[in-house]
Parts: sequence; structure tokens; C-alpha cells
Amino acid sequence: DVKVTQSSRYLVKRTGEKVFLECVQDMDHENMFWYRQDPGLGLRLIYFSYDVKMKEKGDIPEGYSVSREKKERFSLILESASTNQTSMYLCASSHDYSSYEQYFGPGTRLTVT
Amino acid sequence: EDQVTQSPEALRLQEGESSSLNCSYTVSGLRGLFWYRQDPGKGPEFLFTLYSAGEEKEKERLKATLTKKESFLHITAPKPEDSATYLCAVQAPMFSGGYNKLIFGAGTRLAVHP
Repeated sequence: DVKVTQSSRYLVKRTGEKVFLECVQDMDHENMFWYRQDPGLGLRLIYFSYDVKMKEKGDIPEGYSVSREKKERFSLILESASTNQTSMYLCASSHDYSSYEQYFGPGTRLTVT
Repeated sequence: EDQVTQSPEALRLQEGESSSLNCSYTVSGLRGLFWYRQDPGKGPEFLFTLYSAGEEKEKERLKATLTKKESFLHITAPKPEDSATYLCAVQAPMFSGGYNKLIFGAGTRLAVHP
């Protein structure tokens, strides 16, 4: 079974802090994704990576950056956390460009105070 | 604009009471429609992919169907363990790079009571 793990289930950070969210998948998937999930808004794509060191902006990339130095690991970085970035963050992976069955991690609930 | 709308927002059923969840979409050239199940505090779990109108997929008490404008997730004789949020998503092109992305609806929260 595909396993996607995220470094933290819950995080509390202060406004202005730099925040790192880590995601690791163990199935050699090409594609990895970061979403945020907010009530009533569904999942919204922040960034997408289709290969090591390659990335594409999603629908809401402002205030975020990403890093993919190894195939199995995809990091989301909040350069200067703000209260409007309080949310559930979900990482996902999929096998290749033609396969959009995405496998999700358990999520990180981030609170910025 | 590509959009996915799910209804109802919440649904309460008695055990054994069959019903359907709706997912309507507007997308330029459907490349795939996906159903996911999400339990509280967990990430979404993949259920089905549908690619063309008329296609149906089944898994235990769930059956997903697809038309040109909407998809239904039919739940037959549900049990309390079917309680979850069900998410619908459509595959749509990204604005750059020739890649596709998933556009998610807000979900339907299903509660099945004994």
C-alpha cells in the first residue's frame, strides 16, 4: 500500500515565524502535491512537483514556497506565517502524469497565532 | 471557470436508508472525475475514477455514476461505518506546463445512524 507521511499532525506557530511542513512518500511516485483544506472551500492546490527540483504553482501559491531535493520528499515552506494561513495542510502523491489517483497523507493542522 | 459543486452539504441517514450524493461540474473537457472518502482528522482516501458519461463503478455499498454534467454517489443500505465526508474532484488543465490538476468540491458530510 502507498504510504504518505507528514512530519506533524498538529503545529502551533506565531505570526512571522518560518514554518516547514515535510511530506514523505514510499512508493516512488513522480508527482507530489500540497493542498490546504478549509471549511466550505474544499481542497485548494498550493504547489505541485512532477520531478526532483521541479515545481509548478497551483491556485494559491502566495505566501508559500516548496522544495523537492529528493524524489520521496516534498516540503512546504511558509516564509513568514500569518494568521490567514491557519488551516489543514494535506500532502498527496501520484504515480505519473497520466494517473491522477492521488494518495494523501494524514494532514497537518497548523494554527498561527 | 472550472468548478465543482457538491450537494447536499450534509446528509443524515438511518442505517439501511439508501440515498445519493450529487457532484455537478463545469470543466472544459473532462479528463476524469474522482470520488474520495475523508474520515475526521485524516486525509482523503481514493474511491473511484470515472472518465466518460455512462460509466459506473461499484465498491461494496457505493456506486458512482457519471453524466455529461454531474456524478452521483449512490449509497445502498448504508451502515454507520459509512459515515464520512465524501469529496468529488475533476481533473482540469493547469494554466502552465501542460499538466493537469484536481479541482475539489467542498464535500458532503454523511452521518449514518443506527
